[in-house]
Amino acid sequence: DVKVTQSSRYLVKRTGEKVFLECVQDMDHENMFWYRQDPGLGLRLIYFSYDVKMKEKGDIPEGYSVSREKKERFSLILESASTNQTSMYLCASSLLVRSSYNEQFFGPGTRLTVL
Amino acid sequence: ILNVEQSPQSLHVQEGDSTNFTCSFPSSNFYALHWYRWETAKSPEALFVMTLNGDEKKKGRISATLNTKEGYSYLYIKGSQPEDSATYLCAPQTRGGNTPLVFGKGTRLSVIA
Repeated sequence: DVKVTQSSRYLVKRTGEKVFLECVQDMDHENMFWYRQDPGLGLRLIYFSYDVKMKEKGDIPEGYSVSREKKERFSLILESASTNQTSMYLCASSLLVRSSYNEQFFGPGTRLTVL
Repeated sequence: ILNVEQSPQSLHVQEGDSTNFTCSFPSSNFYALHWYRWETAKSPEALFVMTLNGDEKKKGRISATLNTKEGYSYLYIKGSQPEDSATYLCAPQTRGGNTPLVFGKGTRLSVIA
């Protein structure tokens, strides 16, 4: 079974704090993704990575950065948290196969509240 | 950004009712269409991957159809049960490999016992 884990289910931070959200997958997947989910807006892609040390911006990268130092771990960083970053954050991973249908496996999510 | 529309946004049905909802996507550059189910407090889980025009997939009481020429897919649930309550997401894929999925906003289904 593919397992994608996220470091926290719930997190409360203050405005201006640096926040790290960690994601680990155990299936040797090349691709990893960070999404945020907000009511009425669906799942929006923040960043993704298809290899160690590689990163690509998604649709809403502003205010975020990422780190992929090891294949199994993909970190989302909020350099200076703001209240509009209060959201549910989901990590996902998938295999990189050129002709694949790219099924993504999701973690349980981290609900972040920025006060 | 790929334009993916799901309708309705939310749906309330009685236990035992059958229901269906729609995913619309651009018909050009089609590669595959994914359906996911996302139950509250759980991770989204893949339901179907559909690739060919006219495809029909079935898993228990849930089935889906695909029309790539006109750019839509229907998801059907027969005899809805409370455990079917979830948000159903669709995501078209425009090419293989490491292309991220672009998700629709989802249809939130509530089945009332």
